[in-house]
Amino acid sequence: DTEVTQTPKHLVMGMTNKKSLKCEQHMGHRAMYWYKQKAKKPPELMFVYSYEKLSINESVPSRFSPECPNSSLLNLHLHALQPEDSALYLCASSQGDASEAFFGQGTRLTVV
Amino acid sequence: QKEVEQDPGPLSVPEGAIVSLNCTYSNSAFQYFMWYRQYSRKGPELLMYTYSSGNKEDGRFTAQVDKSSKYISLFIRDSQPSDSATYLCAMSGDGGSNYKLTFGKGTLLTVNP
Repeated sequence: DTEVTQTPKHLVMGMTNKKSLKCEQHMGHRAMYWYKQKAKKPPELMFVYSYEKLSINESVPSRFSPECPNSSLLNLHLHALQPEDSALYLCASSQGDASEAFFGQGTRLTVV
Repeated sequence: QKEVEQDPGPLSVPEGAIVSLNCTYSNSAFQYFMWYRQYSRKGPELLMYTYSSGNKEDGRFTAQVDKSSKYISLFIRDSQPSDSATYLCAMSGDGGSNYKLTFGKGTLLTVNP
């Protein structure tokens, strides 16, 4: 089973709202990732957690706040987003560094 | 020069054709090479993962890595309409953070019945 599950699949939020994206994997992977993908572009790395600790933050604005409650779960808390933050948000996981990364189906976020 | 170059296409082929998708890269330190398939509005699906130079085959898919030329390829034999998708190459292991994947822009493939 190489499944990464993301919820919700779709989300519409206002610029003053607070919402959270959730990601879960049960492959025993020790690294989890958040990516952002705009239309017709490749995914862009936002955050990496390794062994539940934040390993990489690609200079992401503070209105995006990641959280890793345990080795199977990854959240992305959203607050005061802008319309230009509308995108497909992808979660991924891998056994470790430089190993295969498996992606979830994404959350399609629209900020109005 | 971008780190990873990939022709965005679009590429249109008839059903049953052999498809060749390619990426070139500039950073000779990359060690790990991946191909992902992404259907419209879905997450990328890992197709092939290879380490260093060589070939790897899985069903109708063959991945080739030529590190001396900094060139990777994905071949799809007996292509099917269900193969219509965007194909993304990705690579990592450049001695910096091995967690970070560097993607090509993706090639949009259409297989016509």
